[in-house]
Amino acid sequence: SAVISQKPSRDICQRGTSLTIQCQVDSQVTMMFWYRQQPGQSLTLIATANQGSEATYESGFVIDKFPISRPNLTFSTLTVSNMSPEDSSIYLCSVLAGVRDTQYFGPGTRLTVL
Amino acid sequence: GQNIDQPTEMTATEGAIVQINCTYQTSGFNGLFWYQQHAGEAPTFLSYNVLDGLEEKGRFSSFLSRSKGYSYLLLKELQMKDSASYLCAVPREDSSYKLIFGSGTRLLVRP
Repeated sequence: SAVISQKPSRDICQRGTSLTIQCQVDSQVTMMFWYRQQPGQSLTLIATANQGSEATYESGFVIDKFPISRPNLTFSTLTVSNMSPEDSSIYLCSVLAGVRDTQYFGPGTRLTVL
Repeated sequence: GQNIDQPTEMTATEGAIVQINCTYQTSGFNGLFWYQQHAGEAPTFLSYNVLDGLEEKGRFSSFLSRSKGYSYLLLKELQMKDSASYLCAVPREDSSYKLIFGSGTRLLVRP
């Protein structure tokens, strides 16, 4: 498995501002992902963070709103830009690790937008 | 397309056994995952099935029938700490590295 940390663990932000979430893994991993989990909902994939190239976004998510960086194989950031209350959610990073390419999740960042 | 169905909520008694079902539709099959998620926490990996049959891991077992598009998670000797959401997930048809998650089954264990 992999040990994943995220910062911040939670934040309360004002409408129109931006927040950058960091994800750090204790080992080099090829695949890193960013998910969103809205209250009472399951997980929705936002994008795949690619090392050395632009992230690959899922339908409904765009780079202007969720810019992602992946400077190396152990670190990634997700920015939630120009926030609105609809962005209130838990944001999770995950990595593929292990023999079975299992996804392991970070502890999540709980974002509240006022 | 792909689809996953799970019951929304289940209630069981401490010490009992509970079975959480998951049915899925997918044209190609690359395994099925179960995750546990306590309220306010990240999902944690429980099990992975790619072949038919039952895989046992302590108090938790997971079963798969590929022909029926069906899996279940069996929790024995339930403890209060087992109260959590249980998520079933399968790899996407267009990318086996990406998962589609079911909506999750919220399990409440009562004394």
